[in-house]
Amino acid sequence: QVQLVESGGGLVKPGGSLRLSCAASGFILSDFHMSWIRQTPGKGLEWVSYIASSGTSVYYADSVKGRFSISRDNAKNSLFLQMNSLGADDTAVYYCARDRVGIVFDYWGQGTLVTVSS
Amino acid sequence: DIVMTQTPLSLSVTPGQPASISCKSSQSLLHSGGKTYLYWYLQKPGQSPHLLISQVSNRFSGVPDRFSGSGSGTDFTLKISRVETEDVGVYYCMQSTQLPRTFGQGTKVEIK
Repeated sequence: QVQLVESGGGLVKPGGSLRLSCAASGFILSDFHMSWIRQTPGKGLEWVSYIASSGTSVYYADSVKGRFSISRDNAKNSLFLQMNSLGADDTAVYYCARDRVGIVFDYWGQGTLVTVSS
Repeated sequence: DIVMTQTPLSLSVTPGQPASISCKSSQSLLHSGGKTYLYWYLQKPGQSPHLLISQVSNRFSGVPDRFSGSGSGTDFTLKISRVETEDVGVYYCMQSTQLPRTFGQGTKVEIK
């Protein structure tokens, strides 16, 4: 069965960096686009970033552009999100999700909590 | 960015009764390719969101047929024909017609 497992969250100081990982199983990662979505109590669900199946196309929300970088290693069935210059507004649960043309976010991981605080 | 507005923000329903959630977008969600990329997700308590409906009205695999989606342009509706206790949670609409993908604020459904 399709499974997505995020890791790498934690407590980080403002201005710090964190790298999230998403391990995929139950499907061939290279066949699918992928996205990161975050959720906060105040702002709800926010799409963060997208990467095409081949990794050649990436997109970002304006709120993270220039600070976050999405990447993937299809050979290792893994998706990544490098987060730099973190601020309090980046505090959220981060989910990875499978992203298909026409069927967006059909499977989600359980999420990993990122807390930015001094 | 396309703004998605859901109403109501909360709903209390008696089991066996119908429920309806509205989602309005600030721009038409009809893509130049002819499809409308409007989705519905349910986040049950303590869980990640999961997909219910894709492209306005297509139920995802395993989703009971008491859930139905309809609408076009800027106005969309999710209906539950007979609410069951397992349907509690927060329902979100989302558009992927245009980047960035944007979600509604969520509608919390509880059982009376």
